[in-house]
Amino acid sequence: QSVLTQPPSVSAAPGQKVTISCSGSSSNIGNNYVSWYQQLPGTAPKLLLYDNYKRPSGIPDRFSGSKSGTSATLDITGLQTGDEADYYCGTWDSSLNAGVFGGGTKLTVL
Amino acid sequence: QVQLVESGGGVVQPGRSLRLSCSASGFIFGSHGMHWVRQAPGKGLEWVAVIWYDGSDKKFADSVKGRFTISRDNSKNTMFLQLNRLRVEDTAIYYCAREETGMGPSLGYWGQGTLVTVSS
Repeated sequence: QSVLTQPPSVSAAPGQKVTISCSGSSSNIGNNYVSWYQQLPGTAPKLLLYDNYKRPSGIPDRFSGSKSGTSATLDITGLQTGDEADYYCGTWDSSLNAGVFGGGTKLTVL
Repeated sequence: QVQLVESGGGVVQPGRSLRLSCSASGFIFGSHGMHWVRQAPGKGLEWVAVIWYDGSDKKFADSVKGRFTISRDNSKNTMFLQLNRLRVEDTAIYYCAREETGMGPSLGYWGQGTLVTVSS
């Protein structure tokens, strides 16, 4: 059971928008920055967003993030078949004094 | 370009030990905190440990606390993870990753991973 809760799967058609949620508590998301990762099959994870909404260089603005209270959200617009992957949220948990990840969300682009 | 290369994985019996290495290049290694993250076959990511940029502090997941140790040699641009008293549930790909912001984990660069299989 992960400390951060994500939906196991989401799906949408090419060109559409999808939202992936990440729910936590005051000891993690509520008081720490959230990052998001994309993991394509058979590859290492890739940082999509950090500090809740900031994009590393090279990440298209189709990927955006936000945080409110103890929840965070990843939005992906203009879906492409190449976006099919597992997506993870992550943050620090001040009570556990440890990093934590969500269980991951599998995105299917229909 | 930033590169992280893990090594040291393999097949080991329960209760035995293993030492993983993460060799870094393309950046000032001693300026970044470094993490280990693992992924069991078919499962999600699990954060394992972090070591501060200068080695002054280290944190561990409860699942490995007391069994794993983390260290680094900034003169050799290398980080280590010592895995002791291994259990079957420690079977996973182990990734090393670079902390980007210090407010982490914000893991901007990852290695390709090294597979640890714990089996009798």
